[in-house]
Amino acid sequence: GAGVSQTPSNKVTEKGKYVELRCDPISGHTALYWYRQSLGQGPEFLIYFQGTGAADDSGLPNDRFFAVRPEGSVSTLKIQRTERGDSAVYLCASSRSPSYEQYFGPGTRLTVT
Amino acid sequence: QQPVQSPQAVILREGEDAVINCSSSKALYSVHWYRQKHGEAPIFLMILLKGGEQKGHDKISASFNEKKQQSSLYLTASQLSYSGTYFCGTEGVQGAQKLVFGQGTRLTINP
Repeated sequence: GAGVSQTPSNKVTEKGKYVELRCDPISGHTALYWYRQSLGQGPEFLIYFQGTGAADDSGLPNDRFFAVRPEGSVSTLKIQRTERGDSAVYLCASSRSPSYEQYFGPGTRLTVT
Repeated sequence: QQPVQSPQAVILREGEDAVINCSSSKALYSVHWYRQKHGEAPIFLMILLKGGEQKGHDKISASFNEKKQQSSLYLTASQLSYSGTYFCGTEGVQGAQKLVFGQGTRLTINP
């Protein structure tokens, strides 16, 4: 079946602008995760959804970051007033159940100029 | 607390073996191993749950020593396709859900 998809694949924005990153998980996967990966580093946890609710948002760096998953499937990561330090690859992953293997999408490369 | 991986990088000839280690200062419930090629998504390799089990498929296997809070990934008779960066992701408590990833081990396989 289809894997995790993310759009856009690349996003270039100016400092201070608002961006939305979309994740479409594997069908039937109830758990959805957002990670951020900087060059040469491992993925860094941002937020985890179980169904529609954010079960753990402890990784969001500040209140400029917000994520939703209104119908328990597609999720959107929203970043307000972007800063150059937000530049990274944003990865989404889904799993059929918590503590099972996570399948990653190709990521969105965000560049803030 | 981020797990520590060693070595940071390793270069092998095709057919040689490699071991990648992942150590945590905290108790672990599970360890997940991924391989990532440049510009691509991390690909799931295997998951190990506490209990000291060992898993493997094909020529890639892994062990998990719960008492030492360590996991090791074993690559036997490496193939060119094994090249990439290997990450361990750790889950500290059952149900914690989020994975804390190590900094990665870059593996290069030469013909």
